[in-house]
Amino acid sequence: EVQLVESGGGLVKPGGSLRLSCAASGFTFSSYSMNWVRQAPGKGLEWVSSISSSSSYIYYADSVKGRFTISRDNAKNSLYLQMNSLRAEDTAVYYCARDAAMVQGVWAFDIWGQGTMVTVSS
Amino acid sequence: QSALTQPASVSGSPGQSITISCTGTSSDVGSYNLVSWYQQHPGKAPKLMIYEVSKRPSGVSNRFSGSKSGNTASLTISGLQAEDEADYYCCSYAGSSSYVFGTGTKVTVL
Repeated sequence: EVQLVESGGGLVKPGGSLRLSCAASGFTFSSYSMNWVRQAPGKGLEWVSSISSSSSYIYYADSVKGRFTISRDNAKNSLYLQMNSLRAEDTAVYYCARDAAMVQGVWAFDIWGQGTMVTVSS
Repeated sequence: QSALTQPASVSGSPGQSITISCTGTSSDVGSYNLVSWYQQHPGKAPKLMIYEVSKRPSGVSNRFSGSKSGNTASLTISGLQAEDEADYYCCSYAGSSSYVFGTGTKVTVL
């Protein structure tokens, strides 16, 4: 079964740091670009960051640029998001999502994890 | 990058058809045929329903269809069913390897 499972969320104080993980299974993780998408409580979806299959290309939304770092370990079938200098407005459920454009010709986020909640509050 | 504009809510009776609009700009929706649509039930992860404006992934009902004209994309749900009640989000490629989502639409089945 194709699956993405996020972990690492929790409560953190403003200015603090947190590292999210996303474990992939059921597909050849190393072939796919991956993304992080977040959703603030009661709000819509927001694309956060993407990383190519070999980590050669990395992109960020302006709202997190300079504070968040996306990375992956293809040997461990894992995606990461290092979040520093966290702000109250970063409070959200963070989803990892597979990008199927390069492998399947499906230009969309075709597989999503269940999400992990990050709360930034003093 | 501003969020794409969707109506906050759309409703319909079982069996009816509804259409959700998604309005962007010439820099996103208008420039690329890379609009996708996601269904999200409360407390659940989004699910891909339409990609590249009008293509349906395997397993998605053919009651769901997509289209685009200019800077506006649309999702139509025909033969509305109770299980279609959910939030729906559009998403467009916005250039420079970035993406922008819509504001979201709550679909209510009356």
